[in-house]
Amino acid sequence: AQKITQTQPGMFVQEKEAVTLDCTYDTSDQSYGLFWYKQPSSGEMIFLIYQGSYDEQNATEGRYSLNFQKARKSANLVISASQLGDSAMYFCAMRAMEYGNKLVFGAGTILRVKS
Amino acid sequence: NAGVTQTPKFRILKIGQSMTLQCAQDMNHNYMYWYRQDPGMGLKLIYYSVGAGITDKGEVPNGYNVSRSTTEDFPLRLELAAPSQTSVYFCASSYTSGVNQPQHFGDGTRLSIL
Repeated sequence: AQKITQTQPGMFVQEKEAVTLDCTYDTSDQSYGLFWYKQPSSGEMIFLIYQGSYDEQNATEGRYSLNFQKARKSANLVISASQLGDSAMYFCAMRAMEYGNKLVFGAGTILRVKS
Repeated sequence: NAGVTQTPKFRILKIGQSMTLQCAQDMNHNYMYWYRQDPGMGLKLIYYSVGAGITDKGEVPNGYNVSRSTTEDFPLRLELAAPSQTSVYFCASSYTSGVNQPQHFGDGTRLSIL
C-alpha cells in the first residue's frame, strides 16, 4: 500500500473561500507524525503544520488547520480564506518508526487560487 | 537566520562530468538529508546522516556519494553525471529523527544533465 496518498492532483478554489486538500496514510505504528509542506512556484519547501498521532486536538497554524481522523487514517489540510499567494504545490508527509523515522512524501496536490 | 543553505541554485552538466552540491545548516541539527524531486513528483531520499562521520543510504542512492565531516556541512557528490540525474535536489535537516520533528529544507539546486 502507498504510505502517503494524495488523491487530488490539482484543485481550484475561489479567493477568500476555504479549501480542503486530502491526505491518507498507511502505518501500523501507534506513534507517528504527519506534516504538510507548501512548495510555491519558486521551488522552496515550506513547513506548514504538524500533527502527532497522540494529539487529541486538531493542529492549527493561522489559516491552516489539519483535519485529523485517526480511525480513517486521514490528515486533510484545510486552508481558510484562500489567498492568491496560496497557489502552490502541497505535500503531505509522515514520519513513523516503521519507515525508519524518515520523512515519506505523497505525490502532492497543486492548488490554484482564482481571483 | 540562514537555516539550510544550498549552493549552487542552478547548474548544467554534461554527461560524464562530476560535481558537488553543497549544503550547510546553522541550526546545530544532527540529522541531515538529501532528496531529489523529479518533475510532478514528491521527494525521494537519496542519503542521510545522523551526525558527523555517519551516513547511510536512502531510497535512491545509486550514482551519488556523501560525506559528513562536520555537523554543519553535508555535500552530495555526483561522480559520472547521467541524464537520469536531471532533477531538483533538496537538502534538509532536523534536530532529531523523532516522529514529531519537521525537517527544514534549503531552497534547492536545479540540475540539468545534457
